[in-house]
Amino acid sequence: QKEVEQNSGPLSVPEGAIASLNCTYSDRGSQSFFWYRQYSGKSPELIMFIYSNGDKEDGRFTAQLNKASQYVSLLIRDSQPSDSATYLCAVNLRNAGNMLTFGGGTRLMVKP
Amino acid sequence: DVKVTQSSRYLVKRTGEKVFLECVQDMDHENMFWYRQDPGLGLRLIYFSYDVKMKEKGDIPEGYSVSREKKERFSLILESASTNQTSMYLCASIPQGGKYEQYFGPGTRLTVT
Repeated sequence: QKEVEQNSGPLSVPEGAIASLNCTYSDRGSQSFFWYRQYSGKSPELIMFIYSNGDKEDGRFTAQLNKASQYVSLLIRDSQPSDSATYLCAVNLRNAGNMLTFGGGTRLMVKP
Repeated sequence: DVKVTQSSRYLVKRTGEKVFLECVQDMDHENMFWYRQDPGLGLRLIYFSYDVKMKEKGDIPEGYSVSREKKERFSLILESASTNQTSMYLCASIPQGGKYEQYFGPGTRLTVT
């Protein structure tokens, strides 16, 4: 089992819909969780981080963390074609020091 | 605003050449990282550094070395480039006072022929 897992997709949603991206992790002691967006040929860009159980909202983005079930989600409301990208989940695993463990990413396609 | 820069966006080198990739951050960050990213394999950590002259191996250090002589600069060295080192190379750093969030440079697409 990989330490951080994501469905590779592609996840296809129509413009204006809610896109839901999921990530599961294996280490129950993990404390910090990050979502990155990566456009094709570009480097990852940090868009959200969450440390506590529950929801965290930032504009059209909502990160949801459920430590008991060991998953973290990213919701994108009112999806736009410009949201089409690969979304990487990253976790600071317990005993990992300052390192992050990245999932393989989910490719999102928002169709006009 | 966090700013991480890399010396080249695109680089083409020949097999056997020594290759230097440079990463610079201008905000006194202590922790810096080098990754490579390949289709289907995701982001893989090559080396990281938590202070000047300090380095730790990541998951795939073979064929690479690093240098951190100044806090702002972290260099990745391919001693003798090989075709299987053709990849996207990404540098990242954690801001002072940060909580593990890493900010990436623009990346260097290296092709070894």
